[in-house]
Amino acid sequence: GQQVMQIPQYQHVQEGEDFTTYCNSSTTLSNIQWYKQRPGGHPVFLIQLVKSGEVKKQKRLTFQFGEAKKNSSLHITATQTTDVGTYFCAGDTGRRALTFGSGTRLQVQP
Amino acid sequence: DAGVIQSPRHEVTEMGQEVTLRCKPISGHDYLFWYRQTMMRGLELLIYFNNNVPIDDSGMPEDRFSAKMPNASFSTLKIQPSEPRDSAVYFCASSFHRAEAFFGQGTRLTVV
Repeated sequence: GQQVMQIPQYQHVQEGEDFTTYCNSSTTLSNIQWYKQRPGGHPVFLIQLVKSGEVKKQKRLTFQFGEAKKNSSLHITATQTTDVGTYFCAGDTGRRALTFGSGTRLQVQP
Repeated sequence: DAGVIQSPRHEVTEMGQEVTLRCKPISGHDYLFWYRQTMMRGLELLIYFNNNVPIDDSGMPEDRFSAKMPNASFSTLKIQPSEPRDSAVYFCASSFHRAEAFFGQGTRLTVV
C-alpha cells in the first residue's frame, strides 16, 4: 500500500536557525498537503501543493513539490519558538486520500 | 461555523466494553475522515466517506471497528469489544472536495 516517509523524526534547533523536513511517497501523488500539530493539539492545515515542481511561500515557510510528484519539503527560515510542533505531510494519490507521513517534531531553543 | 465537533473529548472504559465516538463535520463538506494517532504508529487513516458513502476502509484495524455516516452531519466510530491496544487519540476531519482538511479536537480513548 501507499507509504509516506518523513525525515528527520526529530530536530532540535537554536532560535534563528533554519529547519527542513523532507517527505517521500512510494507512489505518485495527485497533491500533497502539509499540517502542523502543536503539543496536545490537532493537526492544522498549512498548505496544499498540486503541480509538479511547485514552490509556495508563507512568510518564513517555503514548500516544494518534487518534479516527479513523489517528494516534498518544508523549509523554515530563522525559526522562532512559535514554530515548535510536529510537521506532517499528507499525500493524496486520488485513490487513497490523505495518508500522513510519520511527522517531524521540531523543538526550538530560545 | 463551529468547526468539526467530536465527542466525547475523553473516554476511559474497561476492556470488553463498547465505545462509540461521535463526529459532526463542517456543514457543506463532502468528505469525512477518521484517523487514529499513537506514538508508535503516528496518524493512521482508518476510513473515509464521500457524500456519506464509505470509500476506503482498508485502514480499519479489524472487525471490532466499524464506522457509519447516516447523514451529512453525523458520523460514528464504534469499537466493540474494546481492548487496551485501542488506546489512542481518535481524530475526525472533514473537507470539501479533498482540499484542506479540518480536524476536530480529538477523542482521547483509554481502555483499561
